[in-house]
Amino acid sequence: GEDVEQSLFLSVREGDSSVINCTYTDSSSTYLYWYKQEPGAGLQLLTYIFSNMDMKQDQRLTVLLNKKDKHLSLRIADTQTGDSAIYFCAESSRTGKLIFGQGTTLQVKP
Amino acid sequence: GAGVSQTPSNKVTEKGKYVELRCDPISGHTALYWYRQSLGQGPEFLIYFQGTGAADDSGLPNDRFFAVRPEGSVSTLKIQRTERGDSAVYLCASSANGGGVTDTQYFGPGTRLTVL
Repeated sequence: GEDVEQSLFLSVREGDSSVINCTYTDSSSTYLYWYKQEPGAGLQLLTYIFSNMDMKQDQRLTVLLNKKDKHLSLRIADTQTGDSAIYFCAESSRTGKLIFGQGTTLQVKP
Repeated sequence: GAGVSQTPSNKVTEKGKYVELRCDPISGHTALYWYRQSLGQGPEFLIYFQGTGAADDSGLPNDRFFAVRPEGSVSTLKIQRTERGDSAVYLCASSANGGGVTDTQYFGPGTRLTVL
């Protein structure tokens, strides 16, 4: 079945890089997504990667995909206090519904 | 509209009552999704509409849950005989191009349902 797993918590210092990891099970997923959720707010799409790509960079965000190991990571360069949030990895199913991980809470210390 | 909106933002009800949660998608978006997010968990898919019809309702947990989208725009999620386990944040998302794996979903702020 479809399943997505993430580590639950990450703490970094402001200015450091953050790396959030995710594993998924559905090898047929075409797109993989990273969403950000701040307290009281909805899910904000950060970035996505197509399954035939290894890497995608978007300003401070770098997504790495290892399709063989079904491993996805999100690197945030120069992490700021405003990056503190919960980050969700999600894979798309054949019908378009998203399968989410349980979320990684990123804490950024000044 | 500027984004997906959901009403009410908070709903407190008693066990056994009926509730309706409303979602207004982004104007012109043809696909609409409902998800449920329990505390400390990621969102879980409930149902997906393509226009007025439910294209995938495999995530609805039981027959107490029902959703409609009669005119292909606003959707209402209906929960009968609510139970304490239904307490969660109910999220709505819409996408522009009729769903499918290449179609970005935009989420609303959610409705927090508390069943006492």
